[in-house]
Amino acid sequence: EAQVTQNPRYLITVTGKKLTVTCSQNMNHEYMSWYRQDPGLGLRQIYYSMNVEVTDKGDVPEGYKVSRKEKRNFPLILESPSPNQTSLYFCASSFATPGSGYTFGSGTRLTVV
Amino acid sequence: KQEVTQIPAALSVPEGENLVLNCSFTDSAIYNLQWFRQDPGKGLTSLLLIQSSQREQTSGRLNASLDKSSGRSTLYIAASQPGDSATYLCAVWGGSNDYKLSFGAGTTVTVRA
Repeated sequence: EAQVTQNPRYLITVTGKKLTVTCSQNMNHEYMSWYRQDPGLGLRQIYYSMNVEVTDKGDVPEGYKVSRKEKRNFPLILESPSPNQTSLYFCASSFATPGSGYTFGSGTRLTVV
Repeated sequence: KQEVTQIPAALSVPEGENLVLNCSFTDSAIYNLQWFRQDPGKGLTSLLLIQSSQREQTSGRLNASLDKSSGRSTLYIAASQPGDSATYLCAVWGGSNDYKLSFGAGTTVTVRA
């Protein structure tokens, strides 16, 4: 089944403890992206990647890192999480050619205390 | 910067009534427009994808139109059912110098049995 898989689905952590949220897709998509969703603010893009070893900042990149060493994986790294990073996170992927549409993962609910 | 607006923010209708959800965007230089459904705390499910060259797309009881020049899209859901209760998100990919998916804040629909 074609899908975007995120792990974990739920995570509670403490301020300052480094964490990684994994994202993997099996559709050979070039384009991958991370979004966070907050009440009243909607979905905002954190980082995106056009292809392997190519990443760029979205609208809200502060406090996050990403890497794209393989085409299928695009992990989101929080080096020193803070409470304002408590949110619902989504990974998405697409073919690079405009017009193919996005596929989203099921989301990761992160709570930083 | 691309701005996407969805009206109304919330909608409550009796079962059987047709639903009309509106989406507008400020930059008409888009590649495509995608409608998603989101259940509370869950991921995004793609409903319809309309390419910039298309006027509408249909899937079952769902029909989405696109007027690119005026920056508008409308999602019609015929003969609504309680299972249609969810938040519906409109997203556009691209705009001038804008290679990303920009989301509206969504319309939360409640269908009363």
